[in-house]
Amino acid sequence: KQEVTQIPAALSVPEGENLVLNCSFTDSAIYNLQWFRQDPGKGLTSLLLIQSSQREQTSGRLNASLDKSSGRSTLYIAASQPGDSATYLCAVADSWGKLQFGAGTQVVVTP
Amino acid sequence: DGGITQSPKYLFRKEGQNVTLSCEQNLNHDAMYWYRQDPGQGLRLIYYSQIVNDFQKGDIAEGYSVSREKKESFPLTVTSAQKNPTAFYLCASSISRQGGTEAFFGQGTRLTVV
Repeated sequence: KQEVTQIPAALSVPEGENLVLNCSFTDSAIYNLQWFRQDPGKGLTSLLLIQSSQREQTSGRLNASLDKSSGRSTLYIAASQPGDSATYLCAVADSWGKLQFGAGTQVVVTP
Repeated sequence: DGGITQSPKYLFRKEGQNVTLSCEQNLNHDAMYWYRQDPGQGLRLIYYSQIVNDFQKGDIAEGYSVSREKKESFPLTVTSAQKNPTAFYLCASSISRQGGTEAFFGQGTRLTVV
């Protein structure tokens, strides 16, 4: 059974620092990997989708890498801002689109 | 604006009561999903549906039921058989593109047992 782990569980950085969030999964037979952001009491907002054949995906200050063979993905957020404070979730999809989630990394960016 | 609408935002259930959570999407997606989120845990799949009039159990389907009579709608009923229903419920839909399936989520319904 696929298991997804996110480390660290919580992270606090001063504004301007780069953020590095890690995600690992046990079964490399994934269809794709998706990173989400969740604000308190809200739904999930899709940040980046990495197809299984891709090594990385970029959107603005966000960059996500994928190494299927080692079962790892990393989300980089450059020059963090207080508005980046949220919980970040990693999820791997099978061919049916079913997602297996990690427990998330709670990020606080202090001004 | 296209998106997924969940209602109500907050729901209170008495012991022994069935309640239904609504999920509507206007994204024209074929697949829809229900997930449950508990504090400090990742989301867990309850039910999913790939097409109208067909749905499958997820990892934690016991005590829940669904229907998919229209492409746009995928309501979830939390029955009295669900012993610990207090949680945050999220509905999603997805679209398959070449090489990937991208999921989109609603704003969630928080269910509390009183």
